[in-house]
Amino acid sequence: DGGITQSPKYLFRKEGQNVTLSCEQNLNHDAMYWYRQDPGQGLRLIYYSQIVNDFQKGDIAEGYSVSREKKESFPLTVTSAQKNPTAFYLCASSIGGPNSPLHFGNGTRLTVT
Amino acid sequence: GENVEQHPSTLSVQEGDSAVIKCTYSDSASNYFPWYKQELGKRPQLIIDIRSNVGEKKDQRIAVTLNKTAKHFSLHITETQPEDSAVYFCAALTERDDKIIFGKGTRLHILP
Repeated sequence: DGGITQSPKYLFRKEGQNVTLSCEQNLNHDAMYWYRQDPGQGLRLIYYSQIVNDFQKGDIAEGYSVSREKKESFPLTVTSAQKNPTAFYLCASSIGGPNSPLHFGNGTRLTVT
Repeated sequence: GENVEQHPSTLSVQEGDSAVIKCTYSDSASNYFPWYKQELGKRPQLIIDIRSNVGEKKDQRIAVTLNKTAKHFSLHITETQPEDSAVYFCAALTERDDKIIFGKGTRLHILP
């Protein structure tokens, strides 16, 4: 099913390298989000953007960066400054702000060795 | 910071029985409480949500109740079926930061 596409599904990187995760949506949603999912930790917000060319830090933004140059795209860069980057990353969008349902992508599992 | 506590972390129920998952939140101004279901290997999907102007909402076998005074809300699944096996996440919208905070999730096992 369409809506939000994350690529790739699996990503492997060496420690010290930056890596960019892709997130594209065709739902015409204004708001987009990046979450990190670790076992037993729930979903923790990394960054979010409510409008093009604007974004805010979430609860665990250190070591990550984003851009929102187009409404449909919200890429996440995991930098070498992120101390524990191996995780499952989920992108989401919503039609309004956070008080409307989130539509999630299928996620990217990043492994850094 | 604002917090959402979810219990239990794991729940096993016999097929056909009911399951209840409970969450508490810290921001008394929170006004939106969604529940997401994540099946193994799949994306989380919204199954039901409730806003602070109602105390209960039902959708077939799923219901959510909200007690604003006690700052807790619960998910009730009746007549459980094998396809209900999944991880369920509660969440609350914090008024202060205008962000959704998730609980840590409940892994629900439906036993045959």
